Amino acid sequence: DTGVTQSPTHLIKTRGQQVTLRCSPISGHKSVSWYQQVLGQGPQFIFQYYEKEERGRGNFPDRFSARQFPNYSSELNVNALLLGDSALYLCASSLEDNYGYTFGSGTRLTVV
Amino acid sequence: GQSLEQPSEVTAVEGAIVQINCTYQTSGFYGLSWYQQHDGGAPTFLSYNALDGLEETGRFSSFLSRSDSYGYLLLQELQMKDSASYFCAVRDLNTGGFKTIFGAGTRLFVKA
Repeated sequence: DTGVTQSPTHLIKTRGQQVTLRCSPISGHKSVSWYQQVLGQGPQFIFQYYEKEERGRGNFPDRFSARQFPNYSSELNVNALLLGDSALYLCASSLEDNYGYTFGSGTRLTVV
Repeated sequence: GQSLEQPSEVTAVEGAIVQINCTYQTSGFYGLSWYQQHDGGAPTFLSYNALDGLEETGRFSSFLSRSDSYGYLLLQELQMKDSASYFCAVRDLNTGGFKTIFGAGTRLFVKA
């Protein structure tokens, strides 16, 4: 059990650029969720995927998109980056839907 | 919409018992979870309540009252390593699908 792995760990982008963040869930976990966490605040829900289908979407603009692949790994894409997108992006997986999630260590995105 | 309220900070001494409360507002409640997050780390799942009552896991217990839209996390025999942020999170089913909404977190300081 290697845990939830995210890549890259750190990233610096320029305003207006696009970014793709990657997540590999724990082996056998079918549900993947994405969160944005700003320092001092709780994680904000972005997306949840279960069995490769979108199960939920948070209150984020359409610049944010995601998908889940047949091997249950997932990507989060953010287009037209803004300074305010600077945050820790966390991926979490669980065996089934509606249960406790295991979080990865996150990708620290800085937009300059 | 959905909202959660929990105290911003709690201080307790080593060996004591502390209770962190969480009240929530949501229209499609599916369950209440608790997570622990140390500075610089990822959130770690502690407990999940879908039904009313108390769930116990070692030194940690979690309680839910759906009629009161209220839950709490109880930490017993506090240790210095319990100093961290604690988040309650509600799983909600609404028109946008499933969402997991996190509170702003309670910072727990354990003193010697």
